[in-house]
Amino acid sequence: KAGVTQTPRYLIKTRGQQVTLSCSPISGHRSVSWYQQTPGQGLQFLFEYFSETQRNKGNFPGRFSGRQFSNSRSEMNVSTLELGDSALYLCASSLAGGQAEAFFGQGTRLTVV
Amino acid sequence: GENVEQHPSTLSVQEGDSAVIKCTYSDSASNYFPWYKQELGKRPQLIIDIRSNVGEKKDQRIAVTLNKTAKHFSLHITETQPEDSAVYFCAASRMNNNDMRFGAGTRLTVKP
Repeated sequence: KAGVTQTPRYLIKTRGQQVTLSCSPISGHRSVSWYQQTPGQGLQFLFEYFSETQRNKGNFPGRFSGRQFSNSRSEMNVSTLELGDSALYLCASSLAGGQAEAFFGQGTRLTVV
Repeated sequence: GENVEQHPSTLSVQEGDSAVIKCTYSDSASNYFPWYKQELGKRPQLIIDIRSNVGEKKDQRIAVTLNKTAKHFSLHITETQPEDSAVYFCAASRMNNNDMRFGAGTRLTVKP
C-alpha cells in the first residue's frame, strides 16, 4: 500500500509569490490534515479536510488556504509569501479522523527568499 | 480549540535509564491521545496511542498513562537505547473530529 505522497519535496519562492503544495493520501483515507513545522514551534495545525469539506481550521491567516478533491487528494495554497512562511509543510491522512492513526507524508520544504 | 503543552523541550538520558515526557491538554472533550516519534530528516510516526476509556497502555519498553481529571498524559520509555534518540510529539483530538493538536515536541537524546 502506497504511503502519503507530497509534492514537490523542495521549493524556493520569492516574497510576494504564491505556492501550491500537493498531498496524495493513502488509498481509502478520507481525512487530510496539514501542518507547518518550524524549529522550536513543533507541528502547527493548519486545517483538515474530510470529504472535500474543510472540517477544522487552525490559527493561520487567510493567506493559507486549501482544498480537497473527490479522490481525497488535497492541495494547500499560500499567497503573498512572507519570509516567515519558510518551513516544512506536512500533510497527514487518516481513515476518518478522530481516533484513527494519522500517517504523515515526507513533507514539502518551502524556503522563501 | 485544543491547546497541548509538552514538557520538557529537551531531555538527555544515559543509555539504560528511563525517560518521561509529559503533556497537558485544555479541551476536556478530547479523548484520543497519540504519541509520534520523528527521527532526524524523517516523517513523524505513531509509536503508541491511548483512548480516554483506559488509564494506561504499554507496548514493550513504551508506556503511556492518562489522567483525565487532571487533563494530562505521559510517555514513559524504559531501558532507553541510542536509537530512541528523536523528537517526540504528543497530540490530542476528539472523537469524530480530526482537529488533532500537537505539543511543541521533546528532543530526546540517549547517550551511550
